[in-house]
Amino acid sequence: DAGVIQSPRHEVTEMGQEVTLRCKPISGHNSLFWYRQTMMRGLELLIYFNNNVPIDDSGMPEDRFSAKMPNASFSTLKIQPSEPRDSAVYFCASSLVSRYEQYFGPGTRLTVT
Amino acid sequence: SQELEQSPQSLIVQEGKNLTINCTSSKTLYGLYWYKQKYGEGLIFLMMLQKGGEEKSHEKITAKLDEKKQQSSLHITASQPSHAGIYLCGADRDSNYQLIWGAGTKLIIKP
Repeated sequence: DAGVIQSPRHEVTEMGQEVTLRCKPISGHNSLFWYRQTMMRGLELLIYFNNNVPIDDSGMPEDRFSAKMPNASFSTLKIQPSEPRDSAVYFCASSLVSRYEQYFGPGTRLTVT
Repeated sequence: SQELEQSPQSLIVQEGKNLTINCTSSKTLYGLYWYKQKYGEGLIFLMMLQKGGEEKSHEKITAKLDEKKQQSSLHITASQPSHAGIYLCGADRDSNYQLIWGAGTKLIIKP
């Protein structure tokens, strides 16, 4: 298995622009997580999907952030409009079931100038 | 997360030496997960511990969960440059899916 796939690996954008991050979980996994990692705050859970349904989005910073999972093999995290404070590494992770170990993608390093 | 304390924050060890990293919670844990992260890369799953007193090993890395299921240690024997990176512990404390995370321990191996 190729593991969790994320794209792009790096994204540099200007403040105010829309940013879309993509994730393909491991085939057969029914849980998907979006995380944000920064030096100041460490690893933060943004949203969790189970069987393509958003279960908890309480970690999403504000309305500028939205996430979708239209099918079991694809998810997106969108930021609109982006702000410099959104600069971070965004990870997608998937697990076979919600309580099992999570497998992380390589991350997307987002820089908003 | 301050709910899960990792120590030390950073560690510089001479190649070949042993080392231990700790992860402590004030509450009983359902499960404890150890991950390793290299700069610019994602987290790599190392081991999961669920039972009090459980111990698991993979190559030269051994992780233990204490009987009370509130503290875990990660021990590396005869450290190598390939062990360098950031080690994070994650834990679930109840029936919730959500893991809480330690702040990480940065490990540097001196040749």
